[in-house]
Amino acid sequence: DSGVTQTPKHLITATGQRVTLRCSPRSGDLSVYWYQQSLDQGLQFLIHYYNGEERAKGNILERFSAQQFPDLHSELNLSSLELGDSALYFCASSVDPGLAGGGKETQYFGPGTRLLVL
Amino acid sequence: AQTVTQSQPEMSVQEAETVTLSCTYDTSENNYYLFWYKQPPSRQMILVIRQEAYKQQNATENRFSVNFQKAAKSFSLKISDSQLGDTAMYFCAFMAPEYGNKLVFGAGTILRVKS
Repeated sequence: DSGVTQTPKHLITATGQRVTLRCSPRSGDLSVYWYQQSLDQGLQFLIHYYNGEERAKGNILERFSAQQFPDLHSELNLSSLELGDSALYFCASSVDPGLAGGGKETQYFGPGTRLLVL
Repeated sequence: AQTVTQSQPEMSVQEAETVTLSCTYDTSENNYYLFWYKQPPSRQMILVIRQEAYKQQNATENRFSVNFQKAAKSFSLKISDSQLGDTAMYFCAFMAPEYGNKLVFGAGTILRVKS
């Protein structure tokens, strides 16, 4: 158990719908990262939040958005869902990327949310 | 752009034997980190081992060790005394502070341990 929690574990929804994925980082971790794992694209970085602020964006669609709340949990919102959005969505956390070294930069992953869009 | 290449899509090994998974990467950065993650059938991503690029000494974690060749940009994973529970997809990953500390993953290698 990495200490990172994600809910729900599974989501089945229809095209055009909107869903919210939730992540709670390990205790003491300030950074949250979101990744998407799909068969055709592999593991792709979506977005990074540090202590409530957006730090970096990857290949995240405009239909997707995220935020990190004062209690450091994060939510990934996916809207106008398409069949191609079906994937495993991971959240990862680390202590502080600015204090790299000694393992503080290492990302620990949650169990993921499996999204199926029908 | 940083890229990570895992040239072995699938590998198999007999229980108790040793196996080496290959990984190469491309970067112009000098400060970076390399990781191996394991993804068993449960799909959980589990950290196996990490290496800091400024350290010449190869990292080891019990039965897992790496061969880090910085000049060659190579980062292979050696699993000794393979166990059935090692059966999983293994991902090599690269991270550089200059690029926002995002993990860049290779395509993965499926490892099957046979009894």
